[in-house]
Amino acid sequence: KAGVTQTPRYLIKTRGQQVTLSCSPISGHRSVSWYQQTPGQGLQFLFEYFSETQRNKGNFPGRFSGRQFSNSRSEMNVSTLELGDSALYLCASSEGDSYSYGYTFGSGTRLTVV
Amino acid sequence: DQQVKQNSPSLSVQEGRISILNCDYTNSMFDYFLWYKKYPAEGPTFLISISSIKDKNEDGRFTVFLNKSAKHLSLHIVPSQPGDSAVYFCAASDSGNTPLVFGKGTRLSVIA
Repeated sequence: KAGVTQTPRYLIKTRGQQVTLSCSPISGHRSVSWYQQTPGQGLQFLFEYFSETQRNKGNFPGRFSGRQFSNSRSEMNVSTLELGDSALYLCASSEGDSYSYGYTFGSGTRLTVV
Repeated sequence: DQQVKQNSPSLSVQEGRISILNCDYTNSMFDYFLWYKKYPAEGPTFLISISSIKDKNEDGRFTVFLNKSAKHLSLHIVPSQPGDSAVYFCAASDSGNTPLVFGKGTRLSVIA
């Protein structure tokens, strides 16, 4: 069974630009969550999609958005990039509709904003 | 307000000894807890979990202990091996109905 696939692995963008990150969950997993990891803050929850609907949202500004497609693949978009958006963005998929199933994470996309 | 706290950013242990990683939580609604391990350039991988109906769960060299009254859990690794060197994250959820809340992680170094 293929794992969670995130593309691209690395990205360098300039302040003010926008970026789109992609995540393909494990086949059969309907829930996709996104987390931001920074050295000082650990893993911060961005949002979660289940069956194409945003089910939960973290405390991030509206510049951060996402969506999920009918095949469960998900994208997240960050507009008007700021230097502080530099981070590792992790996608995680889950089998059922309960978080007690736990997550399987992808390897992440390392975003650097210059 | 940090609901899951890992107060030790780093821990160094000799190979063969016990590693104890600690985690405290403040939200009394949390009743499901997980530990993840993360190597550089990889995503976190699930290690072990425990629900609040238990106070201990074992899986091979890994044991998680939960003290609900103290809102504290710990991960014990015995014996520690160099391959255990990684960042360990504690995570918690409210009845599986809320997204996992993670601590900031503890970097474990196992010295040969």
